[in-house]
Amino acid sequence: RKEVEQDPGPFNVPEGATVAFNCTYSNSASQSFFWYRQDCRKEPKLLMSVYSSGNEDGRFTAQLNRASQYISLLIRDSKLSDSATYLCVVNVGSGGGADGLTFGKGTHLIIQP
Amino acid sequence: DGGITQSPKYLFRKEGQNVTLSCEQNLNHDAMYWYRQDPGQGLRLIYYSQIVNDFQKGDIAEGYSVSREKKESFPLTVTSAQKNPTAFYLCASSIFGPIRMVEQYFGPGTRLTVT
Repeated sequence: RKEVEQDPGPFNVPEGATVAFNCTYSNSASQSFFWYRQDCRKEPKLLMSVYSSGNEDGRFTAQLNRASQYISLLIRDSKLSDSATYLCVVNVGSGGGADGLTFGKGTHLIIQP
Repeated sequence: DGGITQSPKYLFRKEGQNVTLSCEQNLNHDAMYWYRQDPGQGLRLIYYSQIVNDFQKGDIAEGYSVSREKKESFPLTVTSAQKNPTAFYLCASSIFGPIRMVEQYFGPGTRLTVT
């Protein structure tokens, strides 16, 4: 079983719509969760950390469900500039992050005008 | 401006040659990491270092070597023993601490092509 799984998409969504991604992780001892955004041929950039109580940053909302071992990302009022690949990232290490993160393969989002 | 720099952006080498990729950070981060990304794949950890003069193998360390002589620098050498070296190489850094939310920040990457 893969450690971090995501639907690869692509998700084709009209501008202004709401889109949601899920990501499942296999290690119940995972401590830290993140969503990164990666544009084509660029480095990943941190979009938001995911806290146990859920958190929101503008149009973006992240949720964590430890019982079911999944995290989600909701994007409201999507913009053309939201088109990118969204990486689900989980810390499965025991050192609090120093031994690296485990990355999903990403979900490709295309916002259409 | 604080950040992570990687050079060069594109690198071409002949098979059988060793090549060293540069990674420098001025974020005063303790931990540094090297990943490789292949098309349609997630990032895979090659090596990481928590402090100067110490580093650990990641999931795919075979055919690679690193050094950490300075806090700011973590160069990666792709040796001729690496069977499939063509990839997008990403360097990252983070603060280090006990179990907590530790985000990693990435450099712009180096695209290595070996023919």
